Amino acid sequence: EPEVTQTPSHQVTQMGQEVILRCVPISNHLYFYWYRQILGQKVEFLVSFYNNEISEKSEIFDDQFSVERPDGSNFTLKIRSTKLEDSAMYFCASSWDTSRQAFFGQGTRLTVV
Amino acid sequence: ELKVEQNPLFLSMQEGKNYTIYCNYSTTSDRLYWYRQDPGKSLESLFVLLSNGAVKQEGRLMASLDTKARLSTLHITAAVHDLSATYFCAVDGNAGGATNKLIFGTGTLLAVQP
Repeated sequence: EPEVTQTPSHQVTQMGQEVILRCVPISNHLYFYWYRQILGQKVEFLVSFYNNEISEKSEIFDDQFSVERPDGSNFTLKIRSTKLEDSAMYFCASSWDTSRQAFFGQGTRLTVV
Repeated sequence: ELKVEQNPLFLSMQEGKNYTIYCNYSTTSDRLYWYRQDPGKSLESLFVLLSNGAVKQEGRLMASLDTKARLSTLHITAAVHDLSATYFCAVDGNAGGATNKLIFGTGTLLAVQP
């Protein structure tokens, strides 16, 4: 069964460093999303992406964040200068279109020290 | 701003018992989802509810949607230990059509005791 895959599963970084979280969406999906979940809290929407553009973003998704689809298969989330409060599980998701349910990857646990 | 609330936040139940998790949301939405999350794992889609009165069942879980009351329920019948997980409801954040900008509830941690 097709699935969304994310790498790495766990990343530790120092405050102020840049990190790139990688995702391979399901191959025929056209819409891509990032969500995050701070430990013990609910899942929060960050951004949606379609046709090489951001479709929607939340207030969490400030100038420190960017997304890119550098080639036909990967979808990345970059955090330019990480803060302690960026520590969270980051989930990538993809869907065929916005009316079909999104499938989530297994997540990348980001720890900023 | 759309808010999604779940209760209870934590539910400890015995095997074989029935219980219901409630999900309230504050504004009109096109669709509602239920997800299951095991510790440290991803979100597994359980149900998608698209219309008022929708009811879906899978095994011991049954979900329903009342759009007028802005309420969804996830009913657990004869719980078994394997159902222990955190359950989230999520509502599409756009009332005018699906966007997959999901607003999640706080989650309900379900612990089924033998």
